[in-house]
Amino acid sequence: GQQLNQSPQSMFIQEGEDVSMNCTSSSIFNTWLWYKQDPGEGPVLLIALYKAGELTSNGRLTAQFGITRKDSFLNISASIPSDVGIYFCAGQSLMDSNYQLIWGAGTKLIIKP
Amino acid sequence: EAEVAQSPRYKITEKSQAVAFWCDPISGHATLYWYRQILGQGPELLVQFQDESVVDDSQLPKDRFSAERLKGVDSTLKIQPAELGDSAMYLCASSFNPGRSPLHFGNGTRLTVT
Repeated sequence: GQQLNQSPQSMFIQEGEDVSMNCTSSSIFNTWLWYKQDPGEGPVLLIALYKAGELTSNGRLTAQFGITRKDSFLNISASIPSDVGIYFCAGQSLMDSNYQLIWGAGTKLIIKP
Repeated sequence: EAEVAQSPRYKITEKSQAVAFWCDPISGHATLYWYRQILGQGPELLVQFQDESVVDDSQLPKDRFSAERLKGVDSTLKIQPAELGDSAMYLCASSFNPGRSPLHFGNGTRLTVT
């Protein structure tokens, strides 16, 4: 079945640093979604990507849909304390009639004091 | 901005008791999902509705879990009887057009079974 590899598993960064995380798939996706989840809350949509090569920004966040359709990355520039949380990627394939989301295992972002 | 509403936010129940969760999706979203999330992991799909019909419940433990969306709007997920291993976050999500528009999640119900 389809699998998503999300890396890194966790990141320890200084406030003000840029952050980069990525997801790779064993098969082609038509949609890539990036979510952030704070403790005890539901995932919040950050960026949605629907076209290979698409580069989309949301404030300090930038995400790209890889040209091969098998990967995506998320960058955060000039990190601030409220960026702490778990970031999930998720992909959808139009070959799946129900468009099920395949989820990465998450990247935990921690800011060093 | 419209949100997916879930209640209760927290639920503590004893094993073998029944428990129910409620979800009201974003208005106009025909597709509704129930997910279970174990701490530190990604969400796991339990059931997907299109309007009032179940389109995927292959991962729903049907011996104890049931879900309904009678009028194609709000939905209820029930567990009876609850087991210790059911302790998790139960998330509801909705989408206007799966594959063309993203899923939006509610804040979930944190279930603790004692």
